[in-house]
Amino acid sequence: GDSVTQMEGPVTLSEEAFLTINCTYTATGYPSLFWYVQYPGEGLQLLLKATKADDKGSNKGFEATYRKETTSFHLEKGSVQVSDSAVYFCALSDGWGAGKSTFGDGTTLTVKP
Amino acid sequence: DAGVIQSPRHEVTEMGQEVTLRCKPISGHDYLFWYRQTMMRGLELLIYFNNNVPIDDSGMPEDRFSAKMPNASFSTLKIQPSEPRDSAVYFCASSLRQGARGNQPQHFGDGTRLSIL
Repeated sequence: GDSVTQMEGPVTLSEEAFLTINCTYTATGYPSLFWYVQYPGEGLQLLLKATKADDKGSNKGFEATYRKETTSFHLEKGSVQVSDSAVYFCALSDGWGAGKSTFGDGTTLTVKP
Repeated sequence: DAGVIQSPRHEVTEMGQEVTLRCKPISGHDYLFWYRQTMMRGLELLIYFNNNVPIDDSGMPEDRFSAKMPNASFSTLKIQPSEPRDSAVYFCASSLRQGARGNQPQHFGDGTRLSIL
């Protein structure tokens, strides 16, 4: 079945540092890939997505590129801020007949001033 | 646009009591999902509906848990009787119909924090 493996956390960075959170996936079809972010006390919210190979999703300075050859969708940001402290989830959705998404375990990011 | 609305936001009750969690999905969305989130087990899919019909309830932990979706704008998750190990944050999410590439994201509510004493 489908699965998503995320880099284990927690991750602690200083403000303005470069961020990478690794995500790899296994899927039988041609899934769409997502990154969600969860701030304390809130639900998950979509951060970015990519629907086909070589697509790059971007939002709020975050980027991730759909790499079919390495089955990866790593999240990056060039300069993190304290306000980026949150839990980040990688997910895939396998299209027709499924309707549901498969989520990774989440990676907790803490950014210190 | 109104997002997914869950109620109550917090619930504290004693073991053995019935608990009902409520969800109003985004209007026009075809799918509705119920999740449970704990530190130990992470985010777990309990059940999901397509056009008000339950599609997969394999994540429902026990017969004490039940979910209904009587119409497109309302769903409930019920626990009867409740136990301390049911303490968690319960999320409802909804999404549009998935296309061939499954490119529709899920929209989450802010959750119900449930504590069973």
